[in-house]
Amino acid sequence: AQKITQTQPGMFVQEKEAVTLDCTYDTSDPSYGLFWYKQPSSGEMIFLIYQGSYDQQNATEGRYSLNFQKARKSANLVISASQLGDSAMYFCAMRVGGTSYGKLTFGQGTILTVHP
Amino acid sequence: DAGVIQSPRHEVTEMGQEVTLRCKPISGHNSLFWYRQTMMRGLELLIYFNNNVPIDDSGMPEDRFSAKMPNASFSTLKIQPSEPRDSAVYFCASSWVGGQINYGYTFGSGTRLTVV
Repeated sequence: AQKITQTQPGMFVQEKEAVTLDCTYDTSDPSYGLFWYKQPSSGEMIFLIYQGSYDQQNATEGRYSLNFQKARKSANLVISASQLGDSAMYFCAMRVGGTSYGKLTFGQGTILTVHP
Repeated sequence: DAGVIQSPRHEVTEMGQEVTLRCKPISGHNSLFWYRQTMMRGLELLIYFNNNVPIDDSGMPEDRFSAKMPNASFSTLKIQPSEPRDSAVYFCASSWVGGQINYGYTFGSGTRLTVV
């Protein structure tokens, strides 16, 4: 079975500073993908970044980067130069390969608050 | 591309009534997923379809819930009879699943269901 764990219910950061949101995962499948989604107060789910299990380099998308440590089974999201608009709930999710037809399993989420 | 379209956005109904949630996935996607989000349980996968065929409905809470996907462009989630504990935000998401797994989900805006 696949499992995603986000141990930080809430995080606070000062505007313009960097913040790391933790995510650990558990799967026995060697082929998997890790995703981060943002859910602002308006409720929509916004895709941020993806990391494949065979990717050699950490994924980056603008101010978002994924600190992928395969041996530790962690996939932390780093947001650089935080902005007030980054205040939201953030979900880590995993999808395994094989015949699972792409089932996406989510963590419990971390609420990020950016202070001015 | 209009994205994943869900209707209605908000639904308030009385206990015991039938509720039908609707979803139009992105054209070309071959997989569709129904999620439920609550404060207590987070994001739960209810059911997912691949090529219009239900693959896993183990997340459906009970027999009061049913889902159909009669064609590639439409799916419904029905609750009959509805109960107050069904109050939640219901998300539909679609994706292309096959080969590489670096395809994220695209989520609809969700349906906020309130059963009184």
